[in-house]
Amino acid sequence: GAVVSQHPSWVICKSGTSVKIECRSLDFQATTMFWYRQFPKQSLMLMATSNEGSKATYEQGVEKDKFLINHASLTLSTLTVTSAHPEDSSFYICSAGPWGRLYNEQFFGPGTRLTVL
Amino acid sequence: SQQGEEDPQALSIQEGENATMNCSYKTSINNLQWYRQNSGRGLVHLILIRSNEREKHSGRLRVTLDTSKKSSSLLITASRAADTASYFCATPGASGTYKYIFGTGTRLKVLA
Repeated sequence: GAVVSQHPSWVICKSGTSVKIECRSLDFQATTMFWYRQFPKQSLMLMATSNEGSKATYEQGVEKDKFLINHASLTLSTLTVTSAHPEDSSFYICSAGPWGRLYNEQFFGPGTRLTVL
Repeated sequence: SQQGEEDPQALSIQEGENATMNCSYKTSINNLQWYRQNSGRGLVHLILIRSNEREKHSGRLRVTLDTSKKSSSLLITASRAADTASYFCATPGASGTYKYIFGTGTRLKVLA
């Protein structure tokens, strides 16, 4: 159990376009999903918290109008990078949970590599 | 904010040797996860260990957790070239939230 998928696994787009990334919990319902960003050779940095049925909360320094998050169901959250620019090129990873009743366990998707030309 | 820090930052060993990497964290946790990431690829979940567990095994992997020292270790036995990757520990954030904080990672290189 506890499988989280992301789609697409990689995407290349032109500067100025918008890109949507999906995060799905395949075998459990996730009331909370998180979105992370990873620059080359660095660790993962939390971008935002996505709660089902409510607005996402963003970490300091993350532009909410730039990174639109929608958590429409208990198994799906989407991250839309609007008007993407080359500096948005990065690896985006989501996590979903809670998986356990007693522990605040999150499980992570495989990630989406975004390249903006 | 809490952050896991892996030690060492980089490790280079010969195939067949064991690799040990450590993770330290700052606040109380109820679980800790280890992930592997191959260069340019996504995260692969290795092991989740809960606070009431001291040791956990999965194949050639052994994870220990010492909550009194706020540290965890990941041991890879009989390493293979395919184990070359970055290894991260991840710990839950503040109580009441589900945010996970990732450590800085250990870059492991296994030489054939």
